[in-house]
Amino acid sequence: QKEVEQNSGPLSVPEGAIASLNCTYSDRGSQSFFWYRQYSGKSPELIMFIYSNGDKEDGRFTAQLNKASQYVSLLIRDSQPSDSATYLCAVGSGGSNYKLTFGKGTLLTVNP
Amino acid sequence: GAVVSQHPSWVICKSGTSVKIECRSLDFQATTMFWYRQFPKQSLMLMATSNEGSKATYEQGVEKDKFLINHASLTLSTLTVTSAHPEDSSFYICSARSLLAGGPNTQYFGPGTRLTVL
Repeated sequence: QKEVEQNSGPLSVPEGAIASLNCTYSDRGSQSFFWYRQYSGKSPELIMFIYSNGDKEDGRFTAQLNKASQYVSLLIRDSQPSDSATYLCAVGSGGSNYKLTFGKGTLLTVNP
Repeated sequence: GAVVSQHPSWVICKSGTSVKIECRSLDFQATTMFWYRQFPKQSLMLMATSNEGSKATYEQGVEKDKFLINHASLTLSTLTVTSAHPEDSSFYICSARSLLAGGPNTQYFGPGTRLTVL
C-alpha cells in the first residue's frame, strides 16, 4: 500500500514569514513529486513538480526532495494571506498510467 | 497551457436519475484522464483511470457499472453516474495528463463538478 503522509495542520504563520510544508512517502520506487494548492470548494491547482534530489525554486516557492529519506517539502517565502489554502503532496510511481497518490493535505493559514 | 474544463460545474438531480459529467483538455491532447471524488474535508479519492480508446481502469471498491467512463477522443472523457443516490453527492474532479508540460506524470485538474442528489 503506497502511502503519502502530511501533517493535517492547521499550520498558522504570520504574513511575510516562511511557511514550511512537509511530506513523506512510503514507496521507494516513486519517481515524481508534486505540490498542489486547493482552495476551499475548488479543485487542486499545480504549484510545482520535482523529480531530482535537491531544491527547485519557482518564485516564492521552493520544493525540496530527499529520496534517501523519502521526504519532500515545500517552502513558501514571504507568505501572503492569499496563500491560505490546503496544500496537497502527490507522488507518482510510474507505470503505464502514471497514477498519483495524494496525501490528505496540510491546511495553511497566513495571518495578516 | 494545460487547461482542463469540466461541465457542468454543479448539478442537482433526483434520486434514481443519471448524470453525465464531461471533462475536456482544451489546449493539449490527453491520452490519459483521471476521475476523482472528494467528500467534504477529505482528500482526493481516485475513482478510475481513463485511457483513450480503451476501457477505464477502476480503483478497488468503485462500481464500474454505476460510474460509467468513456474516453472517446484525445480531448474528452465523460463520467456518467447511473441511478444516482444521495450518498453519491460529492465533488467530482477530473484531471488530464499532459506529456508536453511538466513531465509525464503531471496531472492538470478541471474545476470540478459538485453533484447533489436529492
